[in-house]
This record gives sequence, structure tokens and C-alpha cells, in this order.
Amino acid sequence: RKEVEQDPGPFNVPEGATVAFNCTYSNSASQSFFWYRQDCRKEPKLLMSVYSSGNEDGRFTAQLNRASQYISLLIRDSKLSDSATYLCAVQPLNTGFQKLVFGTGTRLLVSP
Amino acid sequence: GAVVSQHPSRVICKSGTSVKIECRSLDFQATTMFWYRQFPKQSLMLMATSNEGSKATYEQGVEKDKFLINHASLTLSTLTVTSAHPEDSSFYICSARERVSLGSQPQHFGDGTRLSIL
Repeated sequence: RKEVEQDPGPFNVPEGATVAFNCTYSNSASQSFFWYRQDCRKEPKLLMSVYSSGNEDGRFTAQLNRASQYISLLIRDSKLSDSATYLCAVQPLNTGFQKLVFGTGTRLLVSP
Repeated sequence: GAVVSQHPSRVICKSGTSVKIECRSLDFQATTMFWYRQFPKQSLMLMATSNEGSKATYEQGVEKDKFLINHASLTLSTLTVTSAHPEDSSFYICSARERVSLGSQPQHFGDGTRLSIL
């Protein structure tokens, strides 16, 4: 089983739709979680950190479910510019240098 | 916000050439930097963790003699791909974390270097 798993998609949605991605992780002791956005042939850019209490930033909401070991990202009112690959990243507890393990990413395509 | 600069952004060279990639944190100190490789349609794969003033920690399967890492200061880490071959062609990305003692800070990525070996 991979340490971090994501549905690769693509998720095809119309503008204005609400879409949600999940990301599961295998290490129950993982302590930090992040969502990154990666555009084609570009570097990943931090979208948001994921806190235990959940957090919201405009149209984006991230949640953590420790019992089921997954994090989620909800995008409301999708824009064309939201089209990208969304990577989840998990920091396992037993990594001395606090390295991150990334999922393969979920591709989102928002159409007019 | 934190900025990480990576140079060069694109390299095309002949097989057998050694290529050096620089990663700089521009507005913060980074005791730890990370080097990733990403093949098309695949995830970021951590190659090694670069620690200022000490040897890098390589992930399993990554040849330390092939991928030389030097982290000489709190703002600069370099990755040298020695005697590069076509199979080394990939997107190489560095990241850095701010030097803070509390909490867990996210990693900030450089622009990446697209390496093509002919």
C-alpha cells in the first residue's frame, strides 16, 4: 500500500460546480498535512495547510479525518483557473528531517 | 512570502555531461532543503534531504555518487548530476523549509529544472 494515495482523476466539472478530493495516508502517526497545486510543467505551490479543526480559505476548504486517515479538499464555485493537479502531502512523524511524502495528484479540469 | 529560487530552469546537454543545479532561499534561512525528481505524469519523488553543514541523507535507491549534494550555507544547496545519461532526464525540484523552532512549516518549492540529456 502506498504511503499516500490519491485518485488521479481527471475530474471534469463545469464552472461553478463544487468538487471534492480525498487523499488517504497509511501512517497513523502522521502529523502535518498540506494541499499543493501544480500546474502543467510547473513547480508545486502551497495551497493550504490542513489543521485538525479544518480550515477554510475563500472557496477552498480542507479537512482532516484522523480516524479514517484521510484529508479532503473542497472547492466551491469552480473557476476555469482552478484547472490543475492537486497534490496532497503528508509528514510522517518518524522522519527526522520532517520530509514530506506526496501523493500522485488529482487532476481537475474545469470547463466553461 | 517565502521565496525559493532555482537555477537553471532548463538544461539540454549531451550524455556524459555533469549538470549542477542551484537552490536558494531568498528571504529566509533554510537549514534543510529537499531535492525531488518528477517524471511525466508521476508524483514528486524525494531524492535526498540536504542539511546545512553536514552530509545529505539519500532515499533508498538514489545513488549518492551520482547525485552530489552540497549545502554550504543556510541559503544555498546544490545538486550535481554527474555523468548524466538520457534516463536522468526529468524535472528536478528543490524545496526549503523556514528555520523555525515551533510548529510545522510547509515546504516552499523552487521553479524546478527541466533536464534533458541527449
